[in-house]
Amino acid sequence: GEEVAQTPKHLVRGEGQKAKLYCAPIKGHSYVFWYQQVLKNEFKFLISFQNENVFDETGMPKERFSAKCLPNSPCSLEIQATKLEDSAVYFCASSLLGQGGQPQHFGDGTRLSIL
Amino acid sequence: GEDVEQSLFLSVREGDSSVINCTYTDSSSTYLYWYKQEPGAGLQLLTYIFSNMDMKQDQRLTVLLNKKDKHLSLRIADTQTGDSAIYFCAETEVGNMLTFGGGTRLMVKP
Repeated sequence: GEEVAQTPKHLVRGEGQKAKLYCAPIKGHSYVFWYQQVLKNEFKFLISFQNENVFDETGMPKERFSAKCLPNSPCSLEIQATKLEDSAVYFCASSLLGQGGQPQHFGDGTRLSIL
Repeated sequence: GEDVEQSLFLSVREGDSSVINCTYTDSSSTYLYWYKQEPGAGLQLLTYIFSNMDMKQDQRLTVLLNKKDKHLSLRIADTQTGDSAIYFCAETEVGNMLTFGGGTRLMVKP
């Protein structure tokens, strides 16, 4: 499609439950990025993919967070055993190429609330 | 690590110009971006500038880059109430992860 599509818009989970978020990048874009926006508008980079391969995972919490981009499927971000501090808006972005100057286009985000 | 700083808040009257400022620390930044976020919405790309440029103009938007001082600004001419939002500057090296500032909330008074 012409837009980055994220589902669901809102997700509520009890502490300790699993949460799974989805992202369909713009058609033809090779790179996908996940960011977490927490209180006070701070953005934290989580992980990026070049097609189905992990490109940069330096921001990814190792223990409970995982992500995949498989061919012909939306990309996904999964959080196991959620904690209250995981409450945030998770944004997905895609770009045509990975080099700077190829703007990242963002989806509308998934608001994750952990109760 | 890299750091991007913005002032928190700016208030202007409708029809005036708005200038939102941003400073960054990473000398190897190659591209600098301005995004707009309205309440409950995603990030809308407004414009971006390559680090070897000083200025870029796009309709009501003018971006100025002072690479020596690592200072970036976004000027919105004839600001309208629909421009009220949070504006984020962001930088990237060739490695392409975006580093964002904390956002500037622009309030436009009628």
